[in-house]
Amino acid sequence: DAGVTQSPTHLIKTRGQQVTLRCSPKSGHDTVSWYQQALGQGPQFIFQYYEEEERQRGNFPDRFSGHQFPNYSSELNVNALLLGDSALYLCASSPLRGAQETQYFGPGTRLLVL
Amino acid sequence: QQQVKQSPQSLIVQKGGISIINCAYENTAFDYFPWYQQFPGKGPALLIAIRPDVSEKKEGRFTISFNKSAKQFSLHIMDSQPGDSATYFCAASNPNNDMRFGAGTRLTVKP
Repeated sequence: DAGVTQSPTHLIKTRGQQVTLRCSPKSGHDTVSWYQQALGQGPQFIFQYYEEEERQRGNFPDRFSGHQFPNYSSELNVNALLLGDSALYLCASSPLRGAQETQYFGPGTRLLVL
Repeated sequence: QQQVKQSPQSLIVQKGGISIINCAYENTAFDYFPWYQQFPGKGPALLIAIRPDVSEKKEGRFTISFNKSAKQFSLHIMDSQPGDSATYFCAASNPNNDMRFGAGTRLTVKP
């Protein structure tokens, strides 16, 4: 049983560009949350998707958007990249909205903005 | 939006010693308090978690102590081993699974 998978593992972009990160949740999970983890910091909650809709959002600008597909996989899109967007982007899945006990994290996508 | 404050930033203990990491939260809507362990290049992995209706939870060498009135909780690692060397994050979540993390504690266990 594959856990949470993310692609790509690493990515280099330049300022102003746009990026799309992908996440496949653990089998049986239907809720996906995205986090940004800056170097030496804890993960910061970006948003959560359930039933293909954004259900909750952290304190991130509209440049950060997402999507969830019918198969529960998800994408994180970041527009107009800034140097400060360089971070590890983590996806976490859980079996159903509100099931706090079983939020599993993927290995992350490391984004570097030059 | 530092809703969960974690200390210390780094911790060095000898093999066999006790590692203690502390966290404090602000939002009383939080009702689930997990601890995550993260190794370099990996995503966080759930270690142990507690709900506010209990004051302590123990799983093997790992114990969470919870003080609801003080809005504080801590992780104790007994008989610390070099393999425990990692970054530990406390977190707090509301019923909608909106999870907020502490800044992390880098634990080094010296052999």
